[in-house]
Amino acid sequence: EAGVVQSPRYKIIEKKQPVAFWCNPISGHNTLYWYRQNLGQGPELLIRYENEEAVDDSQLPKDRFSAERLKGVDSTLKIQPAELGDSAVYLCASSLYGGGETQYFGPGTRLLVL
Amino acid sequence: KQEVTQIPAALSVPEGENLVLNCSFTDSAIYNLQWFRQDPGKGLTSLLLIQSSQREQTSGRLNASLDKSSGRSTLYIAASQPGDSATYLCAVGSGANSKLTFGKGITLSVRP
Repeated sequence: EAGVVQSPRYKIIEKKQPVAFWCNPISGHNTLYWYRQNLGQGPELLIRYENEEAVDDSQLPKDRFSAERLKGVDSTLKIQPAELGDSAVYLCASSLYGGGETQYFGPGTRLLVL
Repeated sequence: KQEVTQIPAALSVPEGENLVLNCSFTDSAIYNLQWFRQDPGKGLTSLLLIQSSQREQTSGRLNASLDKSSGRSTLYIAASQPGDSATYLCAVGSGANSKLTFGKGITLSVRP
């Protein structure tokens, strides 16, 4: 069974440019998470979806970040415009349901903003 | 606000040694606790999940314990191998949706 798929794996952009990340969760998993991991830190939750509904986006910087999971399957996270401080690894994870079950992580997208 | 601490930040041991990685958290009202492994440039791999009602979980050479009252968890690795070299992260699930709060991780190096 395929794991969580993310693309691209690496992205280098100049500040003020837009960027988008894509995630396809494990088949059948209802809950999808986007995390940001800064160097030397643990991941921090940006947004959590239950099917197509964003049920926790309290940590998402809504002035420049947006996300969608239109059909309750794959998801896209967008940054517009990107800032230098957005350089990080963006991780997607999924779980069968959101009730404290094991989360399965993708390989992440490494973003460098110049 | 839940805070998770993992000390030390890095650890180097010779192959074959049994070792313990520590994790502490500030709010004992947790739903569960997970230990993850992260290899350089990779995502996280779940190792063990302990529900709040459990005291420990075992998988192969790994054993994780949970003491909610003292706000601590330990990950025990038996007979360490060079392939165990990675960063180990502890994550505490708390709140209605079991939101995970991660520690910064412990980078383990097992010398041949």
